[in-house]
Amino acid sequence: DTGVSQDPRHKITKRGQNVTFRCDPISEHNRLYWYRQTLGQGPEFLTYFQNEAQLEKSRLLSDRFSAERPKGSFSTLEIQRTEQGDSAMYLCASSLEGGQAYGYTFGSGTRLTVV
Amino acid sequence: AQTVTQSQPEMSVQEAETVTLSCTYDTSESNYYLFWYKQPPSRQMILVIRQEAYKQQNATENRFSVNFQKAAKSFSLKISDSQLGDTAMYFCAFMKPSKLVFGAGTILRVKS
Repeated sequence: DTGVSQDPRHKITKRGQNVTFRCDPISEHNRLYWYRQTLGQGPEFLTYFQNEAQLEKSRLLSDRFSAERPKGSFSTLEIQRTEQGDSAMYLCASSLEGGQAYGYTFGSGTRLTVV
Repeated sequence: AQTVTQSQPEMSVQEAETVTLSCTYDTSESNYYLFWYKQPPSRQMILVIRQEAYKQQNATENRFSVNFQKAAKSFSLKISDSQLGDTAMYFCAFMKPSKLVFGAGTILRVKS
């Protein structure tokens, strides 16, 4: 197992365009999390899935953001009509259900720059 | 609401010396988990050490140890024999019940 994979590593897009990021968790992990991290700040929770069910969404996740995990494996995070304020690192993490006591395994993140 | 506060935006330490990073948190829960994560310039978050609130014994992982003061809601990280590879952003995080809440981080620079 190669850990949590995120694709792409970097994305530059023009304001108003749509972008989609992908996360492949550790295969046996049934929980998957998305966080957003702006420069010099700690990660902020966006949403998480248990298998294919999206169990919680942060107020940070506006209507322009949507996340899916259609088969309980990989997940996608889409941002529609991007704004400059969306520029950030988007982190994905995974864990086993009941494994929260051991923390999460994070991916390397996708750096989004909106110009 | 659970919040995590790291009051030291930046710290520096000489190689081989010891440094302590501070963290306080706020919760009304009695059982919870606390973590320190390291984020090197390559950006991947790595778990450094974890502590279960119901365990009074402070966690230790090689050169890393914590000072957990439950009553004071304090959870500091001590790095002994600092190495150049310890240079990173360090985040304190709180888990309850199913998502991690992070502090703003402390940048640690180890100088040779």
